Amino acid sequence: NAGVTQTPKFRVLKTGQSMTLLCAQDMNHEYMYWYRQDPGMGLRLIHYSVGEGTTAKGEVPDGYNVSRLKKQNFLLGLESAAPSQTSVYFCASSYLQGLGTEAFFGQGTRLTVV
Amino acid sequence: DQQVKQNSPSLSVQEGRISILNCDYTNSMFDYFLWYKKYPAEGPTFLISISSIKDKNEDGRFTVFLNKSAKHLSLHIVPSQPGDSAVYFCAAGIRGSNYQLIWGAGTKLIIKP
Repeated sequence: NAGVTQTPKFRVLKTGQSMTLLCAQDMNHEYMYWYRQDPGMGLRLIHYSVGEGTTAKGEVPDGYNVSRLKKQNFLLGLESAAPSQTSVYFCASSYLQGLGTEAFFGQGTRLTVV
Repeated sequence: DQQVKQNSPSLSVQEGRISILNCDYTNSMFDYFLWYKKYPAEGPTFLISISSIKDKNEDGRFTVFLNKSAKHLSLHIVPSQPGDSAVYFCAAGIRGSNYQLIWGAGTKLIIKP
């Protein structure tokens, strides 16, 4: 059982380039999330989805777009990458949201924008 | 302004002893709290949670204590084992909010043999 899989694991982009990060989960979870983690800071929510075809903004959505065309996939897009988007990106999914609800995380994508 | 703070970037504990990781928060609206554990090159994994209506929750070697008046929670690991060496994050949320957890910056726990 793969759980949550993120593709790619590492990427280096030039400023202004675009890319898409793919997240796939095989647990039939309704909720999916994209976070970024920067040194000395906690995870910050970029966008989330409460079901197929839905997306919503999190704490730091600027510069990112997302799509959830299929329940098992949640895509994070950077249209014009900036050095400030250098970070480690984590995707997560959960069956429910709230107390005690376990969110399952992918292994992360380390993105460097030069 | 960080609403969830883990003031100790790292903590070193002898194997077999108790590890105590601390977390402070400023938003009195938070009504549930979670702890996650993270190994290098892996995503965080859920450890334990607690509701604001409780002051303690226990799961095996892990116990979380909540002091609402002090806006403080702690994670106790007894006894500490080498496999517990990891980064521990606390996170807080508000039921019925926009699904947004607020995370602390993490504490790196090192268990010495």
